[in-house]
Parts: sequence; structure tokens; C-alpha cells
Amino acid sequence: EVQLVESGGGLVQPGGSLRLSCVASGFTFNTYAMSWVRQAPGKGPEWVSFISDSGVSIYYADSVKGRFTISRDNSKNTLHLQMNSLRVEDTAIYYCAKDMTKWGQGTLVTVSS
Amino acid sequence: EIVMTQSPATLSVSPGERATLSCRASQSVSSNLVWYQQKPGQVPRLVIYGASTRATGIPARFSGSGSGTEFTLTISSLQSEDFAIYYCQQYDNWPWTFGQGTKVDI
Repeated sequence: EVQLVESGGGLVQPGGSLRLSCVASGFTFNTYAMSWVRQAPGKGPEWVSFISDSGVSIYYADSVKGRFTISRDNSKNTLHLQMNSLRVEDTAIYYCAKDMTKWGQGTLVTVSS
Repeated sequence: EIVMTQSPATLSVSPGERATLSCRASQSVSSNLVWYQQKPGQVPRLVIYGASTRATGIPARFSGSGSGTEFTLTISSLQSEDFAIYYCQQYDNWPWTFGQGTKVDI
């Protein structure tokens, strides 16, 4: 069974940083592209970032470009999202997604002073 | 970026009735479109991919159609567990983009 478990969320002040992680199991991690998707309270989902199976191809939403960095460690079946210069509007549940077909339960990021 | 527009915003139907949800792209996305279902407090679940292929475990009453800029999700006979918000999302062009959702309620 595919499992995706996110961690690293929490409360941070504007301008601060957080690093999210997603540990994957139940599938061959290094053969699947992965994404981060977020959903602000009461809003629809917003795609954030994509990384190919090898890590060679990476894309970001314009809203996070230059502030967020996606990476993966295929030896540890783990996906990361380094988030810097956080803004109030980054407040959301952050989900990791396997090929956009299966999402984890998410981790809540709250940016507030 | 490609703008995805869903209609209607809310669809009020009764159990057993047919529901038709629309999704329009601001430019062609070929058949690179998915539909998700989200119930309150739950994670979005994939319903349709490739515009018309049901995801694993999705009942046959769900069907998707369309290509280019016009897409439809049809639920042939609504069951109580189908009442939810449905989102379309294109994966043809970067950045990937979602529609704003259609809420299917009673």
C-alpha cells in the first residue's frame, strides 16, 4: 500500500523558514515523479512544485519561485521542501503527492506573527 | 498560465439523479486533465486521469470526457457518498493549475 507521511509543519513568523519532509513507502520511490501541493483554509488546492524521478527536472509555481526549494533523497525514499522567506499567504496544508495520483495526509504550515 | 474555470460553482442534485460538471481551460491542454474529489476534512482523491480514465477503485458511475479546452465529469446516478467538491487540474503546461471547484450537494 502506498503511504506518504509528511512532517515539518508548524507555526513560523513571516520571513522565517521551514523544511518539510515526506517519507514514502509501498512503491518504488525512485521511479516516480513527486510534487508538493498546498491548500489554504477554505480554498482549493494549489500546485507548488514538481521534481522528476531522478531529480533532474524541477518546476515551481510562480508564487514560490526563488523562495522554496524541492529536493529528494532516493536512498531514503524522502521528499523535501525547503521554504524560506515565508509569507502569511503561504499558510496552508502542504501535501506531498506521488505522480499527483496519491496524496499524503498533509502537514499544516501557519505563517503568522 | 492556463486558467481552469469550473461551472457551476454549486450543483444541487438529489440522490439517484445525474450530475454534470464542467471544466474549461483558457488554452488547449490536450487530454492532460484530472478530476479530484474532496470530502470535508479529507485529502483530495483522484477520480479521473487523462480526461476520461477512471482511477483505481472509482465506480463506473463516474465518467470523464472532453479534450482541448472543454471537459466534463458526469456522475450517472448520485449516491450519498458522492456529495463533495470536485476539482479539475491540468498537467499539460507549467505551472500546473486547478479549477476553483464545483460543490455537489443536496
